Amino acid sequence: QVQLGESGGGVVQPGRSLRLSCAASGFTFSSYGMQWVRQAPGKGLEWVAVISYDGRNAYYADSVKGRFTVSRDNSKNTLYLHMNSLRAEDTAVYYCVKDSKKNVGYFDYWGQGTLVTVSS
Amino acid sequence: QSVLTQPPSVSAAPGQKVTISCSGSSSNIGNNYVSWYQQLPGTAPKLLIYENNKRPSGIPDRFSGSKSGTSATLGITGLQTGDEADYYCGTWDNSLSGWVFGGGTKLAVL
Repeated sequence: QVQLGESGGGVVQPGRSLRLSCAASGFTFSSYGMQWVRQAPGKGLEWVAVISYDGRNAYYADSVKGRFTVSRDNSKNTLYLHMNSLRAEDTAVYYCVKDSKKNVGYFDYWGQGTLVTVSS
Repeated sequence: QSVLTQPPSVSAAPGQKVTISCSGSSSNIGNNYVSWYQQLPGTAPKLLIYENNKRPSGIPDRFSGSKSGTSATLGITGLQTGDEADYYCGTWDNSLSGWVFGGGTKLAVL
């Protein structure tokens, strides 16, 4: 069965950096696009970024463009989110999500999420 | 302010039917498939409907989806207390080159 396990969350000061990881199993990781979606406490879902199956293409929400970078290592079945210049408004649970297609389709499997808290 | 507009909340009695609307524009719903996600309290979201009206395996046929023009609708019949959750619509936006979600609708089964 598909499993997605996020790690790397925690408390970080404003302006600092953090890297999230997502270990995937139960499917051919290199054949599917992958997404990051976040949810601030008590708020709705916010899409963050998508990366294509081969890592060649990535798209970002305007709120994180220029600060966050999504990448993947298909040899390790792992997705990453590099977050720089973190702000208080980046505080959220970050979900790793499998896409249904090579690039962008729909979100068919979700991880349990990892909490990032940006606070001094 | 979300790109896709959903009602903040809906409610109905057990056994009844409810619909949740999702309104967008030609740059998103009008030209792309819509999917719906259910988030039970304290859990991660789960795919409920994809490509406007298809159900993943394991999703009961009490849940249905439809799309017309720049709007989509999620329908739930035979409401159960276990259906109490937040429901989100989502789709790709061609103008933004990004995925967009509705603000979410909280369903109460009274």
